[in-house]
Amino acid sequence: GAVVSQHPSRVICKSGTSVKIECRSLDFQATTMFWYRQFPKQSLMLMATSNEGSKATYEQGVEKDKFLINHASLTLSTLTVTSAHPEDSSFYICSAREPSGSTDTQYFGPGTRLTVL
Amino acid sequence: QKEVEQDPGPLSVPEGAIVSLNCTYSNSAFQYFMWYRQYSRKGPELLMYTYSSGNKEDGRFTAQVDKSSKYISLFIRDSQPSDSATYLCAMTGYNYGQNFVFGPGTRLSVLP
Repeated sequence: GAVVSQHPSRVICKSGTSVKIECRSLDFQATTMFWYRQFPKQSLMLMATSNEGSKATYEQGVEKDKFLINHASLTLSTLTVTSAHPEDSSFYICSAREPSGSTDTQYFGPGTRLTVL
Repeated sequence: QKEVEQDPGPLSVPEGAIVSLNCTYSNSAFQYFMWYRQYSRKGPELLMYTYSSGNKEDGRFTAQVDKSSKYISLFIRDSQPSDSATYLCAMTGYNYGQNFVFGPGTRLSVLP
C-alpha cells in the first residue's frame, strides 16, 4: 500500500512555543491531505482538510489561527501548532487521499505525539 | 443518529477464535468502505478496502459489504494476540469532495 510519513514522531515543548509537523506522501501524489487529532482511547477527530494550492478547510470548533496548515506541494502538508499550551497535548495524525479509478481511500501517517509542558 | 455506528467494545476473545466486527451506516451514498487497524500510539493502518457491495478476502481477513442493509463486516479467522488493536471502519461516497466518515472504533483483545 501507499506510504505516508510524518515527522517528528514525538515532540516535547514548552508552553508558548510553536511546533511544526510534516506529512509526506512518499509514493503517490496527494491532492488532499487530512489532519486528525486523537485523545487516548478515543477515535479520530478530523481537524481540517488540506487541498494542494488552496486554503485548508477547518472543522467546526478548530481554530484556524491556532492550527496553521500549509499544503504547498502534492506530497507535503504541514501543521503548525502556534503558541502551544498543555491542552494542545495530543496525538496528531495526518492522512493522504488516493483517488485513482475505482479506488478512493486514505493512507495514514504514523502520528506525532505532542506534549506541551 | 450518527452517520456511522460501531460497537466500541472492548471485545475479548480467546486465541484462535473467529472475530466479527461490524459497522452500520445511514448514508446510502457511501460507495467505498475501508477497515483500519490501529495499534496503541500508532497511526491507523489500512487493512481492507471494498468498493460497493460484496466480499473481499485477504489472508485471515474477510470484508463484507451489504449496501441494501447499510451494514459492513470484518471477519478475522484464527485470531492471534497480535490482532489485539482498535479496528476502525471508514467510508466515503462517489463525489471526490465528500469527506470520509469513520466509526468510533472497536477495541479487540485476543487472549493467549
